[in-house]
Amino acid sequence: DAGVTQSPTHLIKTRGQQVTLRCSPKSGHDTVSWYQQALGQGPQFIFQYYEEEERQRGNFPDRFSGHQFPNYSSELNVNALLLGDSALYLCASSEDWKQETQYFGPGTRLLVL
Amino acid sequence: AQTVTQSQPEMSVQEAETVTLSCTYDTSESDYYLFWYKQPPSRQMILVIRQEAYKQQNATENRFSVNFQKAAKSFSLKISDSQLGDAAMYFCAYTPPLIGFKTIFGAGTRLFVKA
Repeated sequence: DAGVTQSPTHLIKTRGQQVTLRCSPKSGHDTVSWYQQALGQGPQFIFQYYEEEERQRGNFPDRFSGHQFPNYSSELNVNALLLGDSALYLCASSEDWKQETQYFGPGTRLLVL
Repeated sequence: AQTVTQSQPEMSVQEAETVTLSCTYDTSESDYYLFWYKQPPSRQMILVIRQEAYKQQNATENRFSVNFQKAAKSFSLKISDSQLGDAAMYFCAYTPPLIGFKTIFGAGTRLFVKA
């Protein structure tokens, strides 16, 4: 049973560029949440997708956007990258939006130069 | 606003001994969920244990148990018979009920295990 997978594992971008990160949820899960984890800090909630719609959003600017596909996989897009966007981006999935227990992927490490 | 506080940036324990990691939180909700996650250097966030606020009984998973004090808004993690593989960052997390997983994490406690 495949767990949550994310790609790529590492990414280096320069300021002003755009980036797309990808996530495939655990088998049987249809809800995906994205988190940003800066170095030495706990993860911060970015947003959650269910039924291909953004359902909840944390305190992140509109430069952060996402998408969920019919197969429940998801993308996180960040436009106009800033140095402060350098972080580990974690994807988490759950059985449905009512299930509070999430399972995390290994993350994508983004470095913005 | 809901917050989660882990006041111990680092903890150290001898192999086979017991260690307790502290967590306090603030919420006006009466029903919610609390979690402890482990994040080893591999970065994968692993669920250690969960607690439903409406349950008075403390959750237990093998060597891991919690001391949930709802009135005090305290949720500590006890690791018994510590093993070298327990060395990791541990995050306490709070999830409000039924409004999606706007989960709030603490800043984490780094646990060192000495052989």
